[in-house]
Amino acid sequence: QKEVEQDPGPLSVPEGAIVSLNCTYSNSAFQYFMWYRQYSRKGPELLMYTYSSGNKEDGRFTAQVDKSSKYISLFIRDSQPSDSATYLCAMSVNQAGTALIFGKGTTLSVSS
Amino acid sequence: GAVVSQHPSWVICKSGTSVKIECRSLDFQATTMFWYRQFPKQSLMLMATSNEGSKATYEQGVEKDKFLINHASLTLSTLTVTSAHPEDSSFYICSASTSGSFTDTQYFGPGTRLTVL
Repeated sequence: QKEVEQDPGPLSVPEGAIVSLNCTYSNSAFQYFMWYRQYSRKGPELLMYTYSSGNKEDGRFTAQVDKSSKYISLFIRDSQPSDSATYLCAMSVNQAGTALIFGKGTTLSVSS
Repeated sequence: GAVVSQHPSWVICKSGTSVKIECRSLDFQATTMFWYRQFPKQSLMLMATSNEGSKATYEQGVEKDKFLINHASLTLSTLTVTSAHPEDSSFYICSASTSGSFTDTQYFGPGTRLTVL
């Protein structure tokens, strides 16, 4: 079993839809959970991070962590064509100094 | 926003040769730079963490003698793939941060596509 599992998609939604992106993991020691967005031919950019369990909201984005289920989610409200990208989850045991484990990424396409 | 550049953006080389990839932070000083490798349809995999002026910390399974990392200044880190072989063909991405924390913003470079014939 891989440490981090993420459905690669592709996921296609109409503009304005609510998008749910998810990752599962096996290592219960993970404490920091991050979501990155990667546009085609670009490097990833950090969208949000969450420490331990709970929710975090930033504009149209909400990150959720359920450590009991080893499951994390990223919700995008009122999706826009500019949200079309690959979304990568990543997680780490510590804030620094240990490996950051990435999911494979989910490709999202939002049509206008 | 902060910009990180990589050079070259792509390189093709013969098996057995060495290839150097540069990562530069253009408008900020990067205390820490990270090097990642991404195979097609695979995850980004952290190879090593590099702090300016000190030896890089390599992840398990990454050969430090094969992937030489030098972080001689706060704006430049280099990755040298020594005696490259076809299995080293991959997308290499660097990121730079003003701290070593993953939760601080890492600014990623655009990546370097390496093809070893």
